Amino acid sequence: QVQLVQSGAEVKKPGASVKVSCKASGYTFAGYYIQWVRQAPGQGLEWMGWINPNSGDTNYAQKFQGRVTMTSDTSISTAYLDLSRLRSDDTAVFYCAETQYSDDSFDYWGQGTLVTVAS
Amino acid sequence: DIQMTQSPSSLSASVGDRVTVTCRASQSISNYLHWYQQKPGKAPKLIVYTASNLQSGVPSRFRGSGSGTTFTLTISTLQPEDFAVYYCQQTYSTPYTFGQGTNLEI
Repeated sequence: QVQLVQSGAEVKKPGASVKVSCKASGYTFAGYYIQWVRQAPGQGLEWMGWINPNSGDTNYAQKFQGRVTMTSDTSISTAYLDLSRLRSDDTAVFYCAETQYSDDSFDYWGQGTLVTVAS
Repeated sequence: DIQMTQSPSSLSASVGDRVTVTCRASQSISNYLHWYQQKPGKAPKLIVYTASNLQSGVPSRFRGSGSGTTFTLTISTLQPEDFAVYYCQQTYSTPYTFGQGTNLEI
């Protein structure tokens, strides 16, 4: 069965960077997209972008351009989200999700990773 | 960017009730509209994809409909486990956007 397991919670200072991992199992990792979604405490869902692990192609939301980098390592079926120049309003739960095509519904989700940005 | 607007933002209902949540897109999105259910502390769960297709394993009391700019999610007979926050999402064009959520409360 498809499983996405994310790395653990992080606490970062403003201005720092964070790298969240998403390890996939139960399907052919390189054949599917990984999407990233953010949810601030008590708030709604916000799409950040996707990566195609097979080609390395990415598509980032304009809001995060310049601060976000999505990468993947097909040898270990893991995708990464790197967010730099963190601010307090970046405090959120970050989710990865897997889709067969870039514009598909998000069928499978990771459990989420809480990133807290505080001085 | 395509704006997704859900109504109502919150909804109080009882077990056994029929409820409907509406999602409107700021432009036509064909049927690239999906519905998710989220419970506290959990990841969202897909319940309806491409406007009207029930995700495998989701009870048939859930029904999605609509196309273009107006979509609805109907739960025919509310069960205790249905009380959650529901989000619509468009994947017609990036940035993919979500509605603000509908909090379905007892």
